[in-house]
Amino acid sequence: NAGVMQNPRHLVRRRGQEARLRCSPMKGHSHVYWYRQLPEEGLKFMVYLQKENIIDESGMPKERFSAEFPKEGPSILRIQQVVRGDSAAYFCASSPSYSYEQYFGPGTRLTVT
Amino acid sequence: AQKVTQAQTEISVVEKEDVTLDCVYETRDTTYYLFWYKQPPSGELVFLIRRNSFDEQNEISGRYSWNFQKSTSSFNFTITASQVVDSAVYFCALTHNNAGNMLTFGGGTRLMVKP
Repeated sequence: NAGVMQNPRHLVRRRGQEARLRCSPMKGHSHVYWYRQLPEEGLKFMVYLQKENIIDESGMPKERFSAEFPKEGPSILRIQQVVRGDSAAYFCASSPSYSYEQYFGPGTRLTVT
Repeated sequence: AQKVTQAQTEISVVEKEDVTLDCVYETRDTTYYLFWYKQPPSGELVFLIRRNSFDEQNEISGRYSWNFQKSTSSFNFTITASQVVDSAVYFCALTHNNAGNMLTFGGGTRLMVKP
């Protein structure tokens, strides 16, 4: 059973470009979470999604950030017009329904130059 | 609101020493879950343990043990006979029934085990 997959593992973008981060949950998992880890800091919750629904986006910055989890395909975290402060590791986690164990992907390290 | 505090930002020990990583949490909920994750230098997050608020039994898994004290809102993690491979950042995290599974993480403790 493959784990949570994230791609790309490393992403370099210039200021003003768009970043798209993908997350494929573990097989059978229908809940996806995105967390951000700024350098030398802990992880901060961003958004919680189920298939075709955003359940909780209280941790998402108000502008430039969006997330989706379509019926088919991976979950996408999109950052428009990236700025240097967006440089961080973005982790995706998944869990099966009604479970509190979240399994994390390897993360995507975004560098904005 | 819930909060997790890991007061030790960095700990350095010599191999074979025992080391305890502290975790103190705050929550108003009576039902909640506590976790420990390990983040080795490679960067991924490795799940170590989940403990629910109704189960205060200590747990041991090999060289790892966890001490859950509800009275002091603490969930400490001890590594016995530490090894160089234990060098990593360790995160304590909390969630509860009404949080939609959202994990609140502590700031992490960087453990360095020297040979």
